[in-house]
Amino acid sequence: DTGVSQNPRHKITKRGQNVTFRCDPISEHNRLYWYRQTLGQGPEFLTYFQNEAQLEKSRLLSDRFSAERPKGSFSTLEIQRTEQGDSAMYLCASSSQMLGTEAFFGQGTRLTVV
Amino acid sequence: DAKTTQPNSMESNEEEPVHLPCNHSTISGTDYIHWYRQLPSQGPEYVIHGLTSNVNNRMASLAIAEDRKSSTLILHRATLRDAAVYYCILRDVVREYGNKLVFGAGTILRVKS
Repeated sequence: DTGVSQNPRHKITKRGQNVTFRCDPISEHNRLYWYRQTLGQGPEFLTYFQNEAQLEKSRLLSDRFSAERPKGSFSTLEIQRTEQGDSAMYLCASSSQMLGTEAFFGQGTRLTVV
Repeated sequence: DAKTTQPNSMESNEEEPVHLPCNHSTISGTDYIHWYRQLPSQGPEYVIHGLTSNVNNRMASLAIAEDRKSSTLILHRATLRDAAVYYCILRDVVREYGNKLVFGAGTILRVKS
């Protein structure tokens, strides 16, 4: 297992377009988290899945953002009608409810909206 | 969410010990103290965590004050690869469903050769 994988690593899109990011967690991990990070700031929590259920969403997550984890394995984060303020690093993390409290992060997807 | 306070930045010389402080005066009895670090262009990575007793692992040591209102992450011999942003995070594993990590701005550690 190579850890948490995120694709694409970089995405440049025009304002108003939709984008979708994918996260493949560590295979035995049932918990999956999405974060957003802008320059000079710590990561901000967006949403959390336990298996396929989305159990928590941040107030930061506007209606243009949607996340899914249909089979309890990989997850997608979609941003509709992108705005320049959406430019950020989007990080995915996974952890196991059974194996401990450590969370493992992917390398992130850097989104630039032009 | 319980808050932590860390210095914005610190500097260390290579091969010397580094003590990164964290204040968490509003910590509750069920809050664990977690440390993560983020290397340039990487996602955060787990360093260490503890509840009341001091903890050691291969990466670092965590010293927790007796009243638990502060803690210190200790890197015994800093290397250039330890240059990163270090985050001190409180995580309530009893009440907080999903145990999400709430990050602050962290401490930027610079290591000089």
